[in-house]
Amino acid sequence: GQQVMQIPQYQHVQEGEDFTTYCNSSTTLSNIQWYKQRPGGHPVFLIQLVKSGEVKKQKRLTFQFGEAKKNSSLHITATQTTDVGTYFCGTGGGADGLTFGKGTHLIIQP
Amino acid sequence: NAGVTQTPKFQVLKTGQSMTLQCAQDMNHNSMYWYRQDPGMGLRLIYYSASEGTTDKGEVPNGYNVSRLNKREFSLRLESAAPSQTSVYFCASNRAGGANVLTFGAGSRLTVL
Repeated sequence: GQQVMQIPQYQHVQEGEDFTTYCNSSTTLSNIQWYKQRPGGHPVFLIQLVKSGEVKKQKRLTFQFGEAKKNSSLHITATQTTDVGTYFCGTGGGADGLTFGKGTHLIIQP
Repeated sequence: NAGVTQTPKFQVLKTGQSMTLQCAQDMNHNSMYWYRQDPGMGLRLIYYSASEGTTDKGEVPNGYNVSRLNKREFSLRLESAAPSQTSVYFCASNRAGGANVLTFGAGSRLTVL
């Protein structure tokens, strides 16, 4: 199946700084989904991107799907302590489920 | 609306013991999944059930069995637990045929000594 590589594995930021995580594949992806997992919690769906070059926003979060549909990014503007957690990208999502990247752990220092 | 419910939340086993993790969803979803999460490894698919009556292996099925008891319930069984199976296990479900968004349960933390 399709595989995705996610970088960085860890990101430390000061509160108020921006944060970006990247999801890359060597093959064209049919879609990308992003999930957030709070410490001690479970993954929660954020958004799905399906179109080449698609950009979607949710308040301070901006999601992009590359023109070649081989990469995606999640950007958070002016991080807050509530943004702490692990962000996963995933692809696939047919009946055989999603393949996830290893996640980016966002650590915010007040 | 409870979503996806997993039991137990925590379990400690000794090597060689068996146990079953239970999962139930009340969203009338067709597809259900079991993932394991280990530090630095992300979420890896163990088994899935695309619809009632079917089950298939995922990326890491060895040492596990599953049963899709009915449309609501999907259980994961460890017949002879090993320390390598110490992990957090997540059950998820998916409506299928639409956006294919996964809804996850709260997780079951298993420790095998």
